[in-house]
Amino acid sequence: RKEVEQDPGPFNVPEGATVAFNCTYSNSASQSFFWYRQDCRKEPKLLMSVYSSGNEDGRFTAQLNRASQYISLLIRDSKLSDSATYLCVVNLDTGRRALTFGSGTRLQVQP
Amino acid sequence: SQTIHQWPATLVQPVGSPLSLECTVEGTSNPNLYWYRQAAGRGLQLLFYSIGIDQISSEVPQNLSASRPQDRQFILSSKKLLLSDSGFYLCAWSPGMAKNIQYFGAGTRLSVL
Repeated sequence: RKEVEQDPGPFNVPEGATVAFNCTYSNSASQSFFWYRQDCRKEPKLLMSVYSSGNEDGRFTAQLNRASQYISLLIRDSKLSDSATYLCVVNLDTGRRALTFGSGTRLQVQP
Repeated sequence: SQTIHQWPATLVQPVGSPLSLECTVEGTSNPNLYWYRQAAGRGLQLLFYSIGIDQISSEVPQNLSASRPQDRQFILSSKKLLLSDSGFYLCAWSPGMAKNIQYFGAGTRLSVL
């Protein structure tokens, strides 16, 4: 089983749609969780951290379910500019201070 | 504010040639530093990470090496490149504390021919 697992997609959605991605992680002791966004042939950029109580940043909502070991990202009112690959990122071992990246879910928002 | 510089942006090298990629961070001290590789259409693979000068951990056995000669400088090297070394190499830094958010450089796209 992969340490961090995501559906690769692609998710093809029309502008204005709501889309959700899930991600599962293997280590129940994981402490930090993030969503990064990566545009084609560019570096990953932090989209948002994920907190236990859930958090929202504009059209983006992140949720963490520790019992089931998954995190989710909800995007409302999709824009063309949201087209990218979304990477689920987990710190599996705080002592190592290194993050483990999922392979990403590709989103294509269509006009 | 903190910035991370990585160069070159693109590199084409023959098999068997040496490699040196450089990464520097500005605006912070004692950062954690990381080298990742991303093969085409794949996820990020952690290659090396460093919590201080000359303190480097290797994640994957390979023909690459890393060095940190100064606090904010991280270098990825190889003596002889293989075809399988082709990929997108990313340097990242994070504050030397528990929050763990990592910030990436723009990356180097390496093609070994």
